[in-house]
Amino acid sequence: QKEVEQDPGPLSVPEGAIVSLNCTYSNSAFQYFMWYRQYSRKGPELLMYTYSSGNKEDGRFTAQVDKSSKYISLFIRDSQPSDSATYLCATTTSGTYKYIFGTGTRLKVLA
Amino acid sequence: DAGVTQSPTHLIKTRGQQVTLRCSPKSGHDTVSWYQQALGQGPQFIFQYYEEEERQRGNFPDRFSGHQFPNYSSELNVNALLLGDSALYLCASSPLAGQADTQYFGPGTRLTVL
Repeated sequence: QKEVEQDPGPLSVPEGAIVSLNCTYSNSAFQYFMWYRQYSRKGPELLMYTYSSGNKEDGRFTAQVDKSSKYISLFIRDSQPSDSATYLCATTTSGTYKYIFGTGTRLKVLA
Repeated sequence: DAGVTQSPTHLIKTRGQQVTLRCSPKSGHDTVSWYQQALGQGPQFIFQYYEEEERQRGNFPDRFSGHQFPNYSSELNVNALLLGDSALYLCASSPLAGQADTQYFGPGTRLTVL
């Protein structure tokens, strides 16, 4: 079993839709949770991070962590064609330095 | 403010050869991590360098080695290349030791092994 599971998609939505991207993880020791956006043939760009459980909002993006169910989510409101990319979730624990990534979900926002 | 930079952008090598990839961290960052990203997969942690020493290593063979210089830049060396080493190699830098939630990635070096 992978430590972080993520549906690879692709997920296609119309412009303006609310997008929900999700990951599950297996290790209850994970404390930090990140979302990266990766455009084709580019490096990952840090979008959001949260520590432990709860929500964090930044513009059109909301990150949500539910440690009781080991479930993390990224919501994108008013999605735009420019949001079309692969979204990677990542997690780590305090005192370690490696990030554990999901496989990424490919999102297509149709104009 | 320059972000993380990596060179070269692309590289083509043949099996058995050796390769060196380079990374300059973001200004103000002193920690460098290297990841391998195969096509369609998430990045896999190779190792992290801090204070010119390897601080943590992922599940990669000894063919993968690295170095960090006093100016915090870093190199990744891969010996005896295999076809399976073809991937995007990503460098990430962090501003302070122990801040686990702030790794910023460079654009990557795409390595093709023929």
